[in-house]
Amino acid sequence: DQQVKQNSPSLSVQEGRISILNCDYTNSMFDYFLWYKKYPAEGPTFLISISSIKDKNEDGRLTVFLNKSAKHLSLHIVPSQPGDSAVYFCAGGGSQGNLIFGKGTKLSVKP
Amino acid sequence: GAGVSQSPSNKVTEKGKDVELRCDPISGHTALYWYRQSLGQGLEFLIYFQGNSAPDKSGLPSDRFSAERTGGSVSTLTIQRTQQEDSAVYLCASSAWAGSPDTQYFGPGTRLTVL
Repeated sequence: DQQVKQNSPSLSVQEGRISILNCDYTNSMFDYFLWYKKYPAEGPTFLISISSIKDKNEDGRLTVFLNKSAKHLSLHIVPSQPGDSAVYFCAGGGSQGNLIFGKGTKLSVKP
Repeated sequence: GAGVSQSPSNKVTEKGKDVELRCDPISGHTALYWYRQSLGQGLEFLIYFQGNSAPDKSGLPSDRFSAERTGGSVSTLTIQRTQQEDSAVYLCASSAWAGSPDTQYFGPGTRLTVL
């Protein structure tokens, strides 16, 4: 039973446009969510987080939106750049300690 | 300001052999986590250490897997009698456990291949 789901395995976006990465969850006990980016042969790199009591958090080109009633979060990257091409993971965290990850979405930003 | 380091970066072993994977967390981080990522999958939690508390082993897939954390710092993940399904990238992360959200920082991983 997947507690965190990223239903799109891949996404292709033109440079300069907005990239929207989606994530759904089933566990209402998550206290926060995080987004990570992963390049091949490297460990995941932390991007941005959001507390479950917030509905939006921004950091530069990144904005994460949380809709608790829909159990849905999304990461917006604007404007998208070719260097953003990577696999993006969302994860839920809380009192359990460990993070629970989705399977990832591979983003390709085309010049 | 070193990040999380892991060794070796790659390990190829024969089925049935034991392997040890090492993780050096960020200095001062009290929490240390092991995950693994199999091909095409997300990150699967294995075990986590928080300070001097007993580790949370709830993610370990079998009793062939064990981990230690010595002196509250370096951790070793041991896989005994390796099987081909153990082939994966093993990732270590650490965090300051300073509140919510508790951001975990990952090492580069060890790619384990069991022949």
